[in-house]
Amino acid sequence: ETGVTQSPTHLIKTRGQQVTLRCSSQSGHNTVSWYQQALGQGPQFIFQYYREEENGRGNFPPRFSGLQFPNYSSELNVNALELDDSALYLCASSSLSSGEKLFFGSGTQLSVL
Amino acid sequence: TQLLEQSPQFLSIQEGENLTVYCNSSSVFSSLQWYRQEPGEGPVLLVTVVTGGEVKKLKRLTFQFGDARKDSSLHITAAQPGDTGLYLCAQYNFNKFYFGSGTKLNVKP
Repeated sequence: ETGVTQSPTHLIKTRGQQVTLRCSSQSGHNTVSWYQQALGQGPQFIFQYYREEENGRGNFPPRFSGLQFPNYSSELNVNALELDDSALYLCASSSLSSGEKLFFGSGTQLSVL
Repeated sequence: TQLLEQSPQFLSIQEGENLTVYCNSSSVFSSLQWYRQEPGEGPVLLVTVVTGGEVKKLKRLTFQFGDARKDSSLHITAAQPGDTGLYLCAQYNFNKFYFGSGTKLNVKP
């Protein structure tokens, strides 16, 4: 069984740029959710995708957008990067059979300069 | 917005000591999860509690769900350096997950 993988592991961008982060869900999982974790804080829910549709969103502006593909992998896109977007971005997959249990990847550490 | 408050924020103890960390909310939880996150990794689920008053044990970890389902605690007996990490509580509600800010535990050998 393949776990959740995220790429890249680290990324440095400058303010105003755009970034795309990628996530491959665990085998058999059809739901992917994304989180932003600032240093010393808990993860903040960005949004969730189920069968290629967004079906839940946290308090993040529209410049945070996502996609889910037919193979259930997912992308997180952030436009017009701001300094405060510097954080660890975590992806988690789940499925009906796993209930509300989230399986997390190791994250992408984004630094915005 | 659902708010989960965790305490203490930081805890540094010696190996062999016992400790308890707490998770509280003003709202009733339908269920509550506890995760542990090690540096450079994503959180890993430890347990899900569902029923008010429920107690679950995972080796040296004991999880309790309050009778009113508005609070939960995690007790670690005889802590070991391998228990070091960030302990997070989380709630799932209306297609959204809410995490607390965590308790950062450091167990010194």
